[in-house]
Amino acid sequence: KAGVTQTPRYLIKTRGQQVTLSCSPISGHRSVSWYQQTPGQGLQFLFEYFSETQRNKGNFPGRFSGRQFSNSRSEMNVSTLELGDSALYLCASSFGGSHTDTQYFGPGTRLTVL
Amino acid sequence: EDQVTQSPEALRLQEGESSSLNCSYTVSGLRGLFWYRQDPGKGPEFLFTLYSAGEEKEKERLKATLTKKESFLHITAPKPEDSATYLCAVFSGGTYKYIFGTGTRLKVLA
Repeated sequence: KAGVTQTPRYLIKTRGQQVTLSCSPISGHRSVSWYQQTPGQGLQFLFEYFSETQRNKGNFPGRFSGRQFSNSRSEMNVSTLELGDSALYLCASSFGGSHTDTQYFGPGTRLTVL
Repeated sequence: EDQVTQSPEALRLQEGESSSLNCSYTVSGLRGLFWYRQDPGKGPEFLFTLYSAGEEKEKERLKATLTKKESFLHITAPKPEDSATYLCAVFSGGTYKYIFGTGTRLKVLA
């Protein structure tokens, strides 16, 4: 069974640009969550999508947005990039029927903002 | 405010030297406590879910326990391949969000 895949794996952008990251969940999983991981803050919850609807969101500015498609694939977008947005962005998928369903993480996208 | 604190931040063990990692939490309405292992350059890998105080789960050399204020991840006779960062997370029934600790970096020396 294929795991969670994320593309691209690495990205280098400059301040002010925007970026789109993609996540394909495990087959059958309907929930996709996004996290930002930095050395100082650990994993910070960005948002969760379930059946194409945002079910929950963390405390990030509106520059961070996401969406989910009918096949459960998800994208997140960051506009007007700042240096502090440099991080590992992780996607996690679960069946989604219960909020505490086990989450399975992808390998992440390493974003560097110069 | 929901919060998860892991200690120690880093731990070095000799192969075979057992130890415990701590995860203390403050959360409104604990719905579950989760342990993950993360290797460099990879996403977290699920290890255990604990739901209520007194619950214990084991997997190979790892055993997780839960009380009303903290969880322990006991590592018995560790091997070098157990070297990784171990993450603890809780799911808050108050905010319906996962809150992660910053992890314990474990290094097991041969």
